[in-house]
Amino acid sequence: EAGVAQSPRYKIIEKRQSVAFWCNPISGHATLYWYQQILGQGPKLLIQFQNNGVVDDSQLPKDRFSAERLKGVDSTLKIQPAKLEDSAVYLCASSLWGRGNTEAFFGQGTRLTVV
Amino acid sequence: SQQGEEDPQALSIQEGENATMNCSYKTSINNLQWYRQNSGRGLVHLILIRSNEREKHSGRLRVTLDTSKKSSSLLITASRAADTASYFCATDIIQGAQKLVFGQGTRLTINP
Repeated sequence: EAGVAQSPRYKIIEKRQSVAFWCNPISGHATLYWYQQILGQGPKLLIQFQNNGVVDDSQLPKDRFSAERLKGVDSTLKIQPAKLEDSAVYLCASSLWGRGNTEAFFGQGTRLTVV
Repeated sequence: SQQGEEDPQALSIQEGENATMNCSYKTSINNLQWYRQNSGRGLVHLILIRSNEREKHSGRLRVTLDTSKKSSSLLITASRAADTASYFCATDIIQGAQKLVFGQGTRLTINP
């Protein structure tokens, strides 16, 4: 079974530039998550999709971050414009849904450095 | 805001000893999960315990859950150098929409 695929693995951009991350979840997984993990901290949930609908985006900075999951499969997360404090690892995860089936499978993440 | 808080933030023990990490959370949950993260890598799921369960085992891992105290513990027995990693608890919370929220983690170091 193929895992969660993310690209790129690393990205360095200057502040005020834009950047996009891509995620392809495990086939058949209805739920897709994007997390931001700053060095030394736990993953912070940015947005959660159920199929192609948004379940929660309460911690997504909507003035600069956007995400979509067209056709309920792969997803993109965009930052425009980037700030220095956006430097972090962006993790994508997917899971089946339903009670007792919420084990999340993570990709390797995209390490973003904003200079 | 983060749901879970792990304790301690860092733990250093000798190989062969047992390691215990604790997690406290704030709101009602469907289940609680523990994940491991090796440096520079993605998170790996270790074990899931449902809200109606009190204890669960998987190999050298033992997890307990006390919903009255809103707390959980992860015990790793007979630790190995390969267990060196960060460990996170994650709660599948019922707060509006169901969502998976992580704590800040415990950094575990196993000394040979």
